[in-house]
Amino acid sequence: DAGVTQSPTHLIKTRGQHVTLRCSPISGHKSVSWYQQVLGQGPQFIFQYYEKEERGRGNFPDRFSARQFPNYSSELNVNALLLGDSALYLCASSLRQGRVPQPQHFGDGTRLSIL
Amino acid sequence: QKEVEQDPGPLSVPEGAIVSLNCTYSNSAFQYFMWYRQYSRKGPELLMYTYSSGNKEDGRFTAQVDKSSKYISLFIRDSQPSDSATYLCAMSAWNTGNQFYFGTGTSLTVIP
Repeated sequence: DAGVTQSPTHLIKTRGQHVTLRCSPISGHKSVSWYQQVLGQGPQFIFQYYEKEERGRGNFPDRFSARQFPNYSSELNVNALLLGDSALYLCASSLRQGRVPQPQHFGDGTRLSIL
Repeated sequence: QKEVEQDPGPLSVPEGAIVSLNCTYSNSAFQYFMWYRQYSRKGPELLMYTYSSGNKEDGRFTAQVDKSSKYISLFIRDSQPSDSATYLCAMSAWNTGNQFYFGTGTSLTVIP
């Protein structure tokens, strides 16, 4: 079975540009979360989506937005890129979203470099 | 104060050693605890998922949770060179808005 797939694997942008990152969850998983992992740090939560609705948001500026599609895939958009946005962006999927946090399965991420 | 504290290491052990990895946390509401392994240039891979206090064993891996001390551990028995990776702890609660809080990760090298 395919795991979580993310595209592209690497991306180089310049300050002020915008970027769209894509994620396909594990088949049957309906919840998708996005994380930012800066070098040497643990992943930081950005968003969670379930059934196309935002169900959780971390402490990130409004330049970050996301959406989930009817097939449960998801996009993360970042506008007005800053040097500090350089990081590994991870997508994680889980079966569902509910009162009990579900174990999350990660893709290999998109490595974003801002010049 | 960070929600989750984890010693970044690096930790270097000989093959066959028992490895102990630890995290402490400040939020007493955390009830769900996970350990992930992350190889270089890869995403985190789920190793263990535990609820509340106690022990859970899976092969060479044992996860321990001590909620009274706000302390969790992962033990790796008979460590192998293939265990060389960064180990991340993560935790959550039903009232944390579906957010998982991660430690910074501990870098482990197992020397053949």
